[in-house]
Amino acid sequence: AQSVTQLDSQVPVFEEAPVELRCNYSSSVSVYLFWYVQYPNQGLQLLLKYLSGSTLVKGINGFEAEFNKSQTSFHLRKPSVHISDTAEYFCAVSVLSSNTGKLIFGQGTTLQVKP
Amino acid sequence: DGGITQSPKYLFRKEGQNVTLSCEQNLNHDAMYWYRQDPGQGLRLIYYSQIVNDFQKGDIAEGYSVSREKKESFPLTVTSAQKNPTAFYLCASNMRSNQPQHFGDGTRLSIL
Repeated sequence: AQSVTQLDSQVPVFEEAPVELRCNYSSSVSVYLFWYVQYPNQGLQLLLKYLSGSTLVKGINGFEAEFNKSQTSFHLRKPSVHISDTAEYFCAVSVLSSNTGKLIFGQGTTLQVKP
Repeated sequence: DGGITQSPKYLFRKEGQNVTLSCEQNLNHDAMYWYRQDPGQGLRLIYYSQIVNDFQKGDIAEGYSVSREKKESFPLTVTSAQKNPTAFYLCASNMRSNQPQHFGDGTRLSIL
């Protein structure tokens, strides 16, 4: 069975500092990988996705992530955060072979950007 | 603009009552999903449907029911059998399995 672990439940960081949100997954088969952001009382918005090809994926709002197959990781990074990046971030995987499109989510990481 | 509309935004349920959450999409997506979100637990799949008139149970289907009579609509009923229904419910859709899911803005259900 597949699982997703987000290694930090909360990440406090000062404005304009770099940040990394960590995500590890467990799967014996190939997966698609996603990062979503959720602002309070809203739905999830896609930040970026990895389906195939280059392992460095660029997304919206200046975020990027790197797929590392050997370490089964998909960490999210931003070189300089803004106050507006304060939100909850979810890593998710979808199994290629299942053909159902089901997503398995991590528990989420709350990014708190301080002035 | 295309998107997913969930209604109502807030819903209150009395003991022993069934309530229905609405989810409508105008993205022409084939697949639709219902998730439950609890603090610190991420999102858990309740039901999903890949085609009209067909749906499958997710990881936590007990106490919930769905229907998919139209491509655009995938309502979720929280029955009285669901003993702990207080949560944030999110509906999502996608075109096919390797495409990202698009989410609605959610419905927050509370017990009176």
